[in-house]
Order: sequence, then structure tokens, then C-alpha cells
Amino acid sequence: NAGVTQTPKFQVLKTGQSMTLQCAQDMNHNSMYWYRQDPGMGLRLIYYSASEGTTDKGEVPNGYNVSRLNKREFSLRLESAAPSQTSVYFCASSPTGMETQYFGPGTRLLVL
Amino acid sequence: GNSVTQMEGPVTLSEEAFLTINCTYTATGYPSLFWYVQYPGEGLQLLLKATKADDKGSNKGFEATYRKETTSFHLEKGSVQVSDSAVYFCALSPSGVARRSARQLTFGSGTQLTVLP
Repeated sequence: NAGVTQTPKFQVLKTGQSMTLQCAQDMNHNSMYWYRQDPGMGLRLIYYSASEGTTDKGEVPNGYNVSRLNKREFSLRLESAAPSQTSVYFCASSPTGMETQYFGPGTRLLVL
Repeated sequence: GNSVTQMEGPVTLSEEAFLTINCTYTATGYPSLFWYVQYPGEGLQLLLKATKADDKGSNKGFEATYRKETTSFHLEKGSVQVSDSAVYFCALSPSGVARRSARQLTFGSGTQLTVLP
């Protein structure tokens, strides 16, 4: 099992460009999450999906959109990147109703 | 709302020293409490957890006790190793969430631990 995988590992964007961060899990988990990690602020939840076909906003959703493509995949889209979105992005998954989340290795994004 | 406060880092210790990383929380009811660890260049991994008051979570020599009276979940290890160098995150999951819902985690800001040989 690969667990939770994320692509790309690293990306540089110019202000105003768009991109999609990909996440996939092979553990048959229903719930998936996107977080951003910034120095001194821990992880903050951007969006989550309790199950296939549903998505909900987390603490910091502005400037992002998500798609739960199927049970395995949950993508995060930046339509018009801003320097404030420079961060490390983590995807996670968990079984339905379970608290333990399993994290991917992260995507480091730099917006110039 | 829910919040988690961790002791400020970074923390630097010599090998075999005793480790304490403080964590306190604010939440209603009885949340579940977690410690996650992030090794350099990797994602977070669950280290230990406790789901009710007075529970003790333990793993790899680390321990933390859920103290409802002081709303704390301090992480301890009796003798740290160089391989324990990482960032440690305290987190909570609120109680009273519908069984079929996603369980959101609220994280503290993280504590960087460096262990010197």
C-alpha cells in the first residue's frame, strides 16, 4: 500500500497562475482533507470531504476549490495564486467517523 | 471555538535527556487528544492518542496523559535519542460529532525538537 500520495512535491507559480494539487489514497477511506502548514501556525484545514460526493469548507477556504473525483482522489485547485498561498500543503484521509488521520508527504508551493 | 496551545520551541536536548512538551486545549465536552510527529521532509504520523479523561497514550517510549482538570495533554519521554529529532504537534478532535461525519482536527503550532549526540 502506498498510503496517501501527493503530486507534485514542489511547485513554483507566478501570481495569478492556476494549478491543481493532486491527492490519492489506497486505503479505502471515506474521508479526505486538505491542510496548509505555515511556520508558527501548525496545520490549518482548508477543505474536507466526509465521503465521495460531498465537500465542506474548513478554517481557511478562501482562494481554493476542491473536487472529490472518486473515493480515492481529492484535488485542491488554486484558480489565481497569490503570494499568501505560499505554504506546504498536506492531504490526509481517515475511515468514516474515525479520528486518526493518515497524511501524505506534502506539496511545497512557492508563489512569486 | 476549539484551540490547542503548545509550548514554544525550538527545544534542544542532549541524548538521554528527559523530554516534556506542554500542550493545553480549549474545547467543550470531552475531545479526543493526539500527538503527531513530523520527521524532516515527511508528512505527519500519529504518535499516540487518548480518547477520555485519565487515559494514557503511549508509543515508542513517549507518553501523554489526558488531564481533564487541567485541560492538558503533555508529551513526555524519559530518554530521548537523536532519531527523535522532529516537529511534534498536539491536536484535538471534538466530541459530539455525528458518526458518519469527517472528524476535523485542530492542531497546535508545533514544537521543533533537536536531540544532540
